[in-house]
Amino acid sequence: GAGVSQTPSNKVTEKGKYVELRCDPISGHTALYWYRQSLGQGPEFLIYFQGTGAADDSGLPNDRFFAVRPEGSVSTLKIQRTERGDSAVYLCASSLTGLRGANYGYTFGSGTRLTVV
Amino acid sequence: EDQVTQSPEALRLQEGESSSLNCSYTVSGLRGLFWYRQDPGKGPEFLFTLYSAGEEKEKERLKATLTKKESFLHITAPKPEDSATYLCAVQGAQKLVFGQGTRLTINP
Repeated sequence: GAGVSQTPSNKVTEKGKYVELRCDPISGHTALYWYRQSLGQGPEFLIYFQGTGAADDSGLPNDRFFAVRPEGSVSTLKIQRTERGDSAVYLCASSLTGLRGANYGYTFGSGTRLTVV
Repeated sequence: EDQVTQSPEALRLQEGESSSLNCSYTVSGLRGLFWYRQDPGKGPEFLFTLYSAGEEKEKERLKATLTKKESFLHITAPKPEDSATYLCAVQGAQKLVFGQGTRLTINP
């Protein structure tokens, strides 16, 4: 596609429920990143995929968070037993390589706003 | 650990009033310093990548510069449509580490 697509754009869920957030990167981009952004803050790194494998998952806050990218394209971020503190905007980005992202930087989607009530 | 600090947190300017935003960083082996613009409810939009001290890049009213410890985003004669949050990020290994951003408001 022309850009990075994230669905849903908004998600409201009850505390304790399971949620899945989807990211569809730019076609051909091998690197995919998930970030979390709280109000008034910069994006915080969660996990990075190079192809199908998670090359760096050091930003995942705990074992309730998990992400997959089974075919090296679409990625799903999964959150189990959601807590109110998980409320944030979850951003996905993709790039051509894992090193410099070509000359265009990392292209971000518009994010999924997750609200846990 | 890679760190980025942006200042000021917020800046209000009159239309046409030039200024600069600061990004101070520490990183192990800089592979790139990125500037992004973010509008409310949107994802960050790429502006510039700088790779080495002394490098400069320009785009319309924006000019980014880089030293070994900081980067500046200079805004010349800004317009109200330049109002946004400007994010700075560094890349040491593969991931980007972001600052908290500077919220810029340009009053007509």
